[in-house]
Amino acid sequence: QVQLVQSGSDLKKPGASVKVSCKTSGYTFTSYSMNWVRQAPGQGLEWMGWINTNTGDPTYAQGFTGRFVFSLDTSVSTAYLQISSLKADDTAVYFCARVREGSSWHGCFDYWGQGTLVTVSS
Amino acid sequence: EIVMTQSPVTLSVSPGERATLSCRASQSVSSNLAWYQQKPGQAPRLLIYGASTRATGIPARFSGSGSGTEFTLTISSLQSEDFAVYYCQQYNNWPQVTFGQGTKVEIK
Repeated sequence: QVQLVQSGSDLKKPGASVKVSCKTSGYTFTSYSMNWVRQAPGQGLEWMGWINTNTGDPTYAQGFTGRFVFSLDTSVSTAYLQISSLKADDTAVYFCARVREGSSWHGCFDYWGQGTLVTVSS
Repeated sequence: EIVMTQSPVTLSVSPGERATLSCRASQSVSSNLAWYQQKPGQAPRLLIYGASTRATGIPARFSGSGSGTEFTLTISSLQSEDFAVYYCQQYNNWPQVTFGQGTKVEIK
């Protein structure tokens, strides 16, 4: 069965960096785009962008350029989100989400990771 | 950017009653509209895609309708497990995917 398992919660100081992993199983990793979604405490869902798991080419949504990097390790079917120069308002749950089967590379999301809480506090 | 506006913000419904949630797009998204359910501490779950197609394993009491700019999610008879927050999402304007702000369905 399809599974997306994310790394555990993390507490970081302002200015530090964090790398969130999303390990997948149960499907061909390079056949479906991977998306990242942010959810600040008590807030809604915000799409951060996606990465083409076949080419490694990332696309970032407005507001997620510069400090945010999507990457892959196809040998272990894992996607990564790295955030540098962390600020307090980066505190949020970060989800990875696979594009729906049958959607080609673009579409809605049928499988999600469990979420990773990143807390930025001094 | 396409703005998705959901209404109402909160919907109070008794178990067994019908719930109707709305989602409006600032410009046409054709039928490229999905609905998700999210419970506290959980990831969102895909309910509906293509505006009206139920995702795998979703009960028939969930239905979606609409196209263009106006969409509706209907839960025909609310069960206890349906009390949650519901989000719409447009994926027509790739790579500018946007979500609505959510509708919380609570017990009346």
